[in-house]
Amino acid sequence: AQKITQTQPGMFVQEKEAVTLDCTYDTSDPSYGLFWYKQPSSGEMIFLIYQGSYDQQNATEGRYSLNFQKARKSANLVISASQLGDSAMYFCAMREGGNTDKLIFGTGTRLQVFP
Amino acid sequence: DTEVTQTPKHLVMGMTNKKSLKCEQHMGHRAMYWYKQKAKKPPELMFVYSYEKLSINESVPSRFSPECPNSSLLNLHLHALQPEDSALYLCASSQGTEYNEQFFGPGTRLTVL
Repeated sequence: AQKITQTQPGMFVQEKEAVTLDCTYDTSDPSYGLFWYKQPSSGEMIFLIYQGSYDQQNATEGRYSLNFQKARKSANLVISASQLGDSAMYFCAMREGGNTDKLIFGTGTRLQVFP
Repeated sequence: DTEVTQTPKHLVMGMTNKKSLKCEQHMGHRAMYWYKQKAKKPPELMFVYSYEKLSINESVPSRFSPECPNSSLLNLHLHALQPEDSALYLCASSQGTEYNEQFFGPGTRLTVL
C-alpha cells in the first residue's frame, strides 16, 4: 500500500500568489515525521520543512508552512508569495518511528511559477 | 559546513567498466545514504550506513557495492552495470535521530552505454 500520496502531478501558480501542494500519508505508527523537499532541475534535494507527529503546532519556515491535519492524515505544503525560483519538483516524505533511517517519498508535484 | 559533496557530477561508462562514486560530509552525521533516482520519479533508497556499518541494503544488485571508509566518506563502486542503471545517484547524510532531516548532495548523473 502506498504510504505517501501526492495527487497533483503538476501545479501552476502566478508569481506572488500562494499555492498549496497536497500530501496524504498512511501509517499505523503513532510516532512519525513528515518532510518536504524541493528538487530544482539541477537535481539537488533541498530540505524545506519538517513536522513531527506529536507537534501541536503547524511547522513554518519563512515562506513555507505545513498544514498538518493529523486526523485526516494530511500534511500539505503552503508556499506564500511564490517566486519564479520556486519552480521545481516538490516531494513529500515520511519517516516512521520504528525505523529512523528510512524515508518514504511521494511521487512528487511539479510546480511552475509564471510571471 | 552544512554541505554534502559528490563527485563526479557526471559519469558516462560502458557496461564492462569499473567506476566509483564518492560522497563526503563534514557535519559529524552518523548516518549516510545512497539513493537512485530515475527521471520524473522519487528517490529510491539503496543503502544506509550507520556508524560506518551497513545497516540497510534494499535488495540492490551486487553490481553496486557500497563502502564507508570513515565517518565522513561514502563510496559506491560500480561494475558491470546495465543501461537501465542510468540515473541520478544521490548521497545524503543525517544525524540519524528520528526527527532529523537528511541533507542531500547534488548528485551524480550516471549514463551507462
